[in-house]
Amino acid sequence: DVKVTQSSRYLVKRTGEKVFLECVQDMDHENMFWYRQDPGLGLRLIYFSYDVKMKEKGDIPEGYSVSREKKERFSLILESASTNQTSMYLCASNRDTQYFGPGTRLTVL
Amino acid sequence: QKEVEQDPGPLSVPEGAIVSLNCTYSNSAFQYFMWYRQYSRKGPELLMYTYSSGNKEDGRFTAQVDKSSKYISLFIRDSQPSDSATYLCAMSAQGAQKLVFGQGTRLTINP
Repeated sequence: DVKVTQSSRYLVKRTGEKVFLECVQDMDHENMFWYRQDPGLGLRLIYFSYDVKMKEKGDIPEGYSVSREKKERFSLILESASTNQTSMYLCASNRDTQYFGPGTRLTVL
Repeated sequence: QKEVEQDPGPLSVPEGAIVSLNCTYSNSAFQYFMWYRQYSRKGPELLMYTYSSGNKEDGRFTAQVDKSSKYISLFIRDSQPSDSATYLCAMSAQGAQKLVFGQGTRLTINP
């Protein structure tokens, strides 16, 4: 079974803090993705990576950056968290289709 | 107009009913079609995966793709309270790594 894990299930941060969300997959997948999910807006792609050290912007990259130093690990970074980044963050990896992690519910106060 | 349209519901049906969930899309290049199930406060899990047109059955679930109409469906037979979740459709073109998702339909099965 494919396993995608995320570092935290729930996270509370303050405005202006730097936030790191980590994702690890154990299936040697080339591609990894970060989404955010908000009520009424569905899943929106933030960034994705198709190889180590490679990244591409998704639909809503503003305010985020990513890092992929190892194939199995893909990190999402909020350089200076803001309240409008309160959301559910989902990581996924794929070969033929995407497999998701359990999600991190981030609250920015 | 969104590339993928999905009625967000909510949809509420009695236990044992047949449920029909649908998505329409506008991009004729889409070849791969998926249905994900997402329980509250969890990540989406892959339920069904089909390529091109036709039907695929897995237990109580049937996925149907009609490319001529740009319409996909998920049928749930003998629905159970444990089927209560949000169902997301997703699709992609040949060679594309990114998926395009519908907004999700929130389904409740009442005992």
